[in-house]
Amino acid sequence: GAVVSQHPSWVICKSGTSVKIECRSLDFQATTMFWYRQFPKQSLMLMATSNEGSKATYEQGVEKDKFLINHASLTLSTLTVTSAHPEDSSFYICSARRTGTTQYFGPGTRLTVL
Amino acid sequence: AQSVTQLDSQVPVFEEAPVELRCNYSSSVSVYLFWYVQYPNQGLQLLLKYLSGSTLVKGINGFEAEFNKSQTSFHLRKPSVHISDTAEYFCAVSDQYSSASKIIFGSGTRLSIRP
Repeated sequence: GAVVSQHPSWVICKSGTSVKIECRSLDFQATTMFWYRQFPKQSLMLMATSNEGSKATYEQGVEKDKFLINHASLTLSTLTVTSAHPEDSSFYICSARRTGTTQYFGPGTRLTVL
Repeated sequence: AQSVTQLDSQVPVFEEAPVELRCNYSSSVSVYLFWYVQYPNQGLQLLLKYLSGSTLVKGINGFEAEFNKSQTSFHLRKPSVHISDTAEYFCAVSDQYSSASKIIFGSGTRLSIRP
């Protein structure tokens, strides 16, 4: 149990376009979902926390207008990278938390912006 | 605020040798502690976690960790490693009292196993 999926697993896009990444909890309802960014050979940096039905809480330094997060249901959160640029290329990982403390992580989405 | 320090960025060991990956944390409140493993191009998998109770925590794949409050450490150990243990390992901490339960990750330790 506690499986989290992400779609797509990888995406390549042109500079200036927008990309949407989906995060789904497959067998549980997630009251809270988290979005992380990971640069090569570095740790995960929390970008934002999203609760179902409310606005996401962004970490300091993360542009909320560039990284749009929508948590429309208890099993789905989306991250949209708007007007993507090469510096947005990264590995994006989501996690989902039901009741309790444990977060379950998705497999990640590798974004490459040309 | 919490922080996590993983003292070793890389740890090379021979197959079947024991290994210890070090982790120290800093926090003004009680915390939960975690170890995650990340295989190449994959997400994170929870190895083990300390919430309360016994300070020795056993996890998956033969790993264990010991919570030491006085030394603010949560080192990960395995008595005999295998090639398949080659991966990146992250120590993480979460505030017990925050409803947001944000997890703060350490910088990671790359474990490489030599045959």
